[in-house]
Amino acid sequence: DIVMTQSPDSLAVSLGERATINCKSSQSVLYSSNNKNYLAWYQQKPGQPPRLLISWASTRESGVPDRFSGSGSGTDFTLTISSLQAEDVAVYFCQQYYTTPITFGQGTRLEIK
Amino acid sequence: QVQLQESGPRLVKSSQTLSLTCTVSGGSTSSDGYYWSWIRQHPGKGLEWMGYIYYSGSTYYNPSLKSRVTLSVDTSKNQFSLKLNSVTAADTAVYYCARGFGNYAPLDYWGQGTLVTVSS
Repeated sequence: DIVMTQSPDSLAVSLGERATINCKSSQSVLYSSNNKNYLAWYQQKPGQPPRLLISWASTRESGVPDRFSGSGSGTDFTLTISSLQAEDVAVYFCQQYYTTPITFGQGTRLEIK
Repeated sequence: QVQLQESGPRLVKSSQTLSLTCTVSGGSTSSDGYYWSWIRQHPGKGLEWMGYIYYSGSTYYNPSLKSRVTLSVDTSKNQFSLKLNSVTAADTAVYYCARGFGNYAPLDYWGQGTLVTVSS
């Protein structure tokens, strides 16, 4: 199985400041034949299911604010929130879908400082 | 707008079989290319993908659960189902159903989830 490791486990950021969450996979999730990274980011608020924010490492889903961005390739990825808003308080998960079984990171809890 | 809704018993006795159904609206379980997954989340913990099924009946199960899990699909009812046998307290979790376009794809629509508790 591909192991996904996120850092940090929790993060406190002031409103309006930048938040950065990292995700590292135990093997590359870059598929060489199409040059796509099989990596997604999800946001989960209490009592809600995960919401897909970013797919293919950097493609924002429809309706996701542009303050959310994804970057990285191969084994190292980053989710950045450029200017933290109160509604961004949540747990964030990365996920690889390069191979089965699909696996998720352990989650990063984002709070307001 | 695609919606998924889990249903089934919220309380299951240890050693018995957990059974859940996911009803899809606004989309079709028989649509070409869509794979239907089950994911669970232990209280306060991370996400564990359990497996997926295609409308043809083709399945893939997480090896960590393979011997205990069975997925099925009923396209006439626009539903797909999960059975997990020989449950223990460790199977207490929120169970989600979700959709992906492709078997190697992100999960773009999720059900609200249902908490299933295994009791002794």
